[in-house]
Amino acid sequence: KQEVTQIPAALSVPEGENLVLNCSFTDSAIYNLQWFRQDPGKGLTSLLLIQSSQREQTSGRLNASLDKSSGRSTLYIAASQPGDSATYLCATTGANSKLTFGKGITLSVRP
Amino acid sequence: KAGVTQTPRYLIKTRGQQVTLSCSPISGHRSVSWYQQTPGQGLQFLFEYFSETQRNKGNFPGRFSGRQFSNSRSEMNVSTLELGDSALYLCASSLAGHRVVFGPGTRLTVL
Repeated sequence: KQEVTQIPAALSVPEGENLVLNCSFTDSAIYNLQWFRQDPGKGLTSLLLIQSSQREQTSGRLNASLDKSSGRSTLYIAASQPGDSATYLCATTGANSKLTFGKGITLSVRP
Repeated sequence: KAGVTQTPRYLIKTRGQQVTLSCSPISGHRSVSWYQQTPGQGLQFLFEYFSETQRNKGNFPGRFSGRQFSNSRSEMNVSTLELGDSALYLCASSLAGHRVVFGPGTRLTVL
């Protein structure tokens, strides 16, 4: 059974800092891994999707990497802004198309 | 392109009642999945429908059921509501191998 872990549960950084959010998973037999953002009381917004054959994906100030062999993914946020404050979740997709989510990291960027 | 829509956005029910939630996927998406999000358990997979057939089911009691119509719209039903069913219910649609797109969710409160 796939287990996805995100540590720490919360993170507070000053504006402008570059930061890395970590995600680990136990079963490397994944089709892809996605990073999502969730604002309080809202649905999830997909940020980046990395296929199992890829090593990284970039979108603007965001860069996500995937190392299937070690069961790890990282989301790099460059030059953080207060508007980046949200909960970030990673999720793996297995053979049954089911997403398995981590508990998320709640990020607070201080002005 | 319109996103995933969910109705209603908010619901208040009492224990023992039943509820039906609706989801309209992005046009062309044939896969619809449902997730339950609670503070304690995080995001948990309920079920997935593809072309009107339930393709996968999570570990939830039989009180939780769903269906998908020929136009890909989906409904989920929860019978005999319990206090613990209070949660944000998220619907997602996707094309195989592509990003999963989530709706805004239905916030269910059971009193």
